Amino acid sequence: EAQVTQNPRYLITVTGKKLTVTCSQNMNHEYMSWYRQDPGLGLRQIYYSMNVEVTDKGDVPEGYKVSRKEKRNFPLILESPSPNQTSLYFCASSQTALGNSPLHFGNGTRLTVT
Amino acid sequence: GDSVTQMEGPVTLSEEAFLTINCTYTATGYPSLFWYVQYPGEGLQLLLKATKADDKGSNKGFEATYRKETTSFHLEKGSVQVSDSAVYFCALSGLNTGFQKLVFGTGTRLLVSP
Repeated sequence: EAQVTQNPRYLITVTGKKLTVTCSQNMNHEYMSWYRQDPGLGLRQIYYSMNVEVTDKGDVPEGYKVSRKEKRNFPLILESPSPNQTSLYFCASSQTALGNSPLHFGNGTRLTVT
Repeated sequence: GDSVTQMEGPVTLSEEAFLTINCTYTATGYPSLFWYVQYPGEGLQLLLKATKADDKGSNKGFEATYRKETTSFHLEKGSVQVSDSAVYFCALSGLNTGFQKLVFGTGTRLLVSP
């Protein structure tokens, strides 16, 4: 089944403790992206990647890192999480640039930072 | 920059009622327009899309027409069902971002009662 898999689904952590949220897609998609969803703000892009070893900042990249060493994987790294990073995170992938190609989303990771 | 404005929710309807969720956009040129739906506990799924002016996207009884003159992409359905209860997001992908990301509206929650 074609899908984007994120792990974990739920994560509670403390301020400053490094964490990684994994994302993997099995559709051989070139484009991958991370979004965060907050009430009243919709979805905001954190980082995206057009292909292996090519990543770029989205609208809210501060406090996050990503890497794209393989086509299928696009982990999101929080080196020193803070409470304002408490949010619902989505990984998404697309065949190519988004003019005609829809995004496929994972089921989300709900992160709480205390 | 590009932006999407959606009507505030929640929208509360009885089963078989007519649905309209308004969406207007600001973008340079001719962006691609999308409606995504998010069911509880899940990621977003593409509902429909339109890539040029006057195109009508349709899926599962939902429709939206790309209106360049009014910069709008309103979502409609003739007869809603309880199973349509979800959050609906309007989004665009445009020239300003090289079609490299989706810009989302804040989402509109739809609640359908039997």
